[in-house]
Amino acid sequence: NAGVMQNPRHLVRRRGQEARLRCSPMKGHSHVYWYRQLPEEGLKFMVYLQKENIIDESGMPKERFSAEFPKEGPSILRIQQVVRGDSAAYFCASSPGSDTGELFFGEGSRLTVL
Amino acid sequence: QQPVQSPQAVILREGEDAVINCSSSKALYSVHWYRQKHGEAPVFLMILLKGGEQKGHEKISASFNEKKQQSSLYLTASQLSYSGTYFCGTRNAGKSTFGDGTTLTVKP
Repeated sequence: NAGVMQNPRHLVRRRGQEARLRCSPMKGHSHVYWYRQLPEEGLKFMVYLQKENIIDESGMPKERFSAEFPKEGPSILRIQQVVRGDSAAYFCASSPGSDTGELFFGEGSRLTVL
Repeated sequence: QQPVQSPQAVILREGEDAVINCSSSKALYSVHWYRQKHGEAPVFLMILLKGGEQKGHEKISASFNEKKQQSSLYLTASQLSYSGTYFCGTRNAGKSTFGDGTTLTVKP
């Protein structure tokens, strides 16, 4: 049973380019969460999605960031016109339900903006 | 609002005990604990669902006081492998938020 799969594991972008991070949840999980982690800091909530719906995006910056979880395929976190401050590890997690139970985390995607 | 953890960092010798605290200004219905090693993904340790509940995992246990809106993680007779950053998390309407973490370093 494959765990949460994230790709790419490492991504380097120049300022102004776009970054696309993908997350395939565990089989049977329909809830996906994205977190950002700066070096030596905690996990900051960004967005919570169910299939085809954004449930809570209160942690997403209003500009340049978007997320989707289509009916088919992985969830995608998209960052347009990246800036150096976007450099961080982005973790995706999934769960089978919304209220209880553990989150299963992927290995993360590490974005470096030059 | 994210939960608040204390202390921020702990340094122990092998075999010593540690307590990590987590508190929230909002009502808590469940608390979950994770450990993250440097450069790796957070790994689930345990979840507490009821007030006053205690759970254990090897020599790591936790308590949850719903009335005080607090949870504590107890690490007994710590091992080198316990080193890492511990996060408590709370869930509200599906959204999970985490404290800033407590970095535990266990030295030989």
